Amino acid sequence: GQNIDQPTEMTATEGAIVQINCTYQTSGFNGLFWYQQHAGEAPTFLSYNVLDGLEEKGRFSSFLSRSKGYSYLLLKELQMKDSASYLCAVRYSGATNKLIFGTGTLLAVQP
Amino acid sequence: EAGVAQSPRYKIIEKRQSVAFWCNPISGHATLYWYQQILGQGPKLLIQFQNNGVVDDSQLPKDRFSAERLKGVDSTLKIQPAKLEDSAVYLCASSLDPGGASYEQYFGPGTRLTVT
Repeated sequence: GQNIDQPTEMTATEGAIVQINCTYQTSGFNGLFWYQQHAGEAPTFLSYNVLDGLEEKGRFSSFLSRSKGYSYLLLKELQMKDSASYLCAVRYSGATNKLIFGTGTLLAVQP
Repeated sequence: EAGVAQSPRYKIIEKRQSVAFWCNPISGHATLYWYQQILGQGPKLLIQFQNNGVVDDSQLPKDRFSAERLKGVDSTLKIQPAKLEDSAVYLCASSLDPGGASYEQYFGPGTRLTVT
């Protein structure tokens, strides 16, 4: 099966840095997405990694190690508005673009 | 650019009743997805359309769920009859072309279904 594991909840302080990990076991891996989902809203795209290494986009960075089946999302200079659920999703190879989502990590940013 | 539209936003029904959800994807997006998201979980793919053809419905409970995408644009998802465990948010998403190098999925606001 495809197990995508991420912590259920995390708490961090405003202005700090937080790292949200994601591990996966899936054959046919062909890319990993991170989405942000505020309560009661739709997921919104944050990042996409298909090659090993770090992708930086403003305050958010995402890292991938395909050999280890591991990714993390790094959030810097945390703001209160970053309180949300962060979803890790793995894409299969092939034509279907099927995504398997993890359960999400609920991040609470405290003042 | 208009986003993915869904209606209704909220629906409350009794078990054994029927319900239908509607989705209008982003213009030009060939691929449309319906996901079910139960509270505290990630979205689970129910069905994926490429234009008006089904490419994956392996997790769709076909005894009660059905979906169609006529003319390769709008789509409807139906549940008949509903069960208590169907209470969830139903998300519609679309993407340009699954054959592309980085085909981000764009999500609609979802329909929150409560079955009592």
